[in-house]
Amino acid sequence: DTAVSQTPKYLVTQMGNDKSIKCEQNLGHDTMYWYKQDSKKFLKIMFSYNNKELIINETVPNRFSPKSPDKAHLNLHINSLELGDSAVYFCASSQGDLYGYTFGSGTRLTVV
Amino acid sequence: DQQVKQNSPSLSVQEGRISILNCDYTNSMFDYFLWYKKYPAEGPTFLISISSIKDKNEDGRFTVFLNKSAKHLSLHIVPSQPGDSAVYFCAASGTTSYDKVIFGPGTSLSVIP
Repeated sequence: DTAVSQTPKYLVTQMGNDKSIKCEQNLGHDTMYWYKQDSKKFLKIMFSYNNKELIINETVPNRFSPKSPDKAHLNLHINSLELGDSAVYFCASSQGDLYGYTFGSGTRLTVV
Repeated sequence: DQQVKQNSPSLSVQEGRISILNCDYTNSMFDYFLWYKKYPAEGPTFLISISSIKDKNEDGRFTVFLNKSAKHLSLHIVPSQPGDSAVYFCAASGTTSYDKVIFGPGTSLSVIP
């Protein structure tokens, strides 16, 4: 039973489209995150939600909008996709940083 | 501005020997340090952590050392096994959910049988 699951695993789409990536965790964690791993392999935080409340909002284009309907779900919606959005997006959850994050397996987004 | 650095992109070690992965950081406000391991096509997996009040934490074959004055930490794996071949990310943060966890760029470890 997967602890943090993301769908889809792969996403190929054309520039200008709107797409969503879904994330669910069954660990009972209070905090969820979206990270982006770029072509240089850096993992950079995008957003963090704690009990459905946005607590970290990094400098990302406002084409990216997270939505947390409940504390077990954190979805990422991307409008007007651009070539530079191509990356692997990881969802994660934690019960406070002291315990480390549990990551999903990632969504590889390719914009063509 | 790279706050967490892993200057060795890759490392090869013979099976049974010690693997030492290094990490440097620039932000003296970091209080908590973590190591993650990542296999291809999977998400990173939490490996071991250390609080800034300690200088060593050990878990089985894995030991993390922290030198706060040098802003340096290292992960020792002994003995190294082929299954340890993966990318290792060093990460640092404060101690609350409101603090960002900053990841280094990773070091790819290959353990040669």
